[in-house]
Amino acid sequence: DSGVTQTPKHLITATGQRVTLRCSPRSGDLSVYWYQQSLDQGLQFLIQYYNGEERAKGNILERFSAQQFPDLHSELNLSSLELGDSALYFCASSAVPALVETQYFGPGTRLLVL
Amino acid sequence: DAKTTQPTSMDCAEGRAANLPCNHSTISGNEYVYWYRQIHSQGPQYIIHGLKNNETNEMASLIITEDRKSSTLILPHATLRDTAVYYCIVRVATSGGSNYKLTFGKGTLLTVNP
Repeated sequence: DSGVTQTPKHLITATGQRVTLRCSPRSGDLSVYWYQQSLDQGLQFLIQYYNGEERAKGNILERFSAQQFPDLHSELNLSSLELGDSALYFCASSAVPALVETQYFGPGTRLLVL
Repeated sequence: DAKTTQPTSMDCAEGRAANLPCNHSTISGNEYVYWYRQIHSQGPQYIIHGLKNNETNEMASLIITEDRKSSTLILPHATLRDTAVYYCIVRVATSGGSNYKLTFGKGTLLTVNP
């Protein structure tokens, strides 16, 4: 158990819908990362938040957005869903400041868009 | 971040040592070598990291060549539970909450056989 929790574990929805994925980082971790893992693209970095502020963006679509709240939990919002958005979505957290930082991953949310 | 090359797959007998190679010939002096693994559809799990010295922890050993252009992850006594995709990642050490994203390649699928 990494200490990172994600809800829900599974999500089935229809095209065009909007969903919210939730992540609670390990106690004390200020940084939260979101990754997407699909069969054809592998693990892809989406976005990073640090202490409530966006720090880095990766291959995140404009239909997707995220935020980190004062209690440090984070939410990833996916809207206008398409079939291709079906994937595993992982959240990771890390303890900073640290010169060599390790990311701890949650169990993921499996999203299926029908 | 430097690119890494890993074999697509490897087999290992249960109880034997598993040696997973990684080539990172373009690594820079300030880049660390990280290893993560992902057991089927679970969140990636941190294993070990190193800069230039060999490292050992309760999970594995990391051997980095003197020129730092390649490394080997060693699982000393592989078990069936070690069957997973192993990712070798090279990344600059940073601090202060800046971009810590991990860039995952395709990794090596290690299958431990009974």
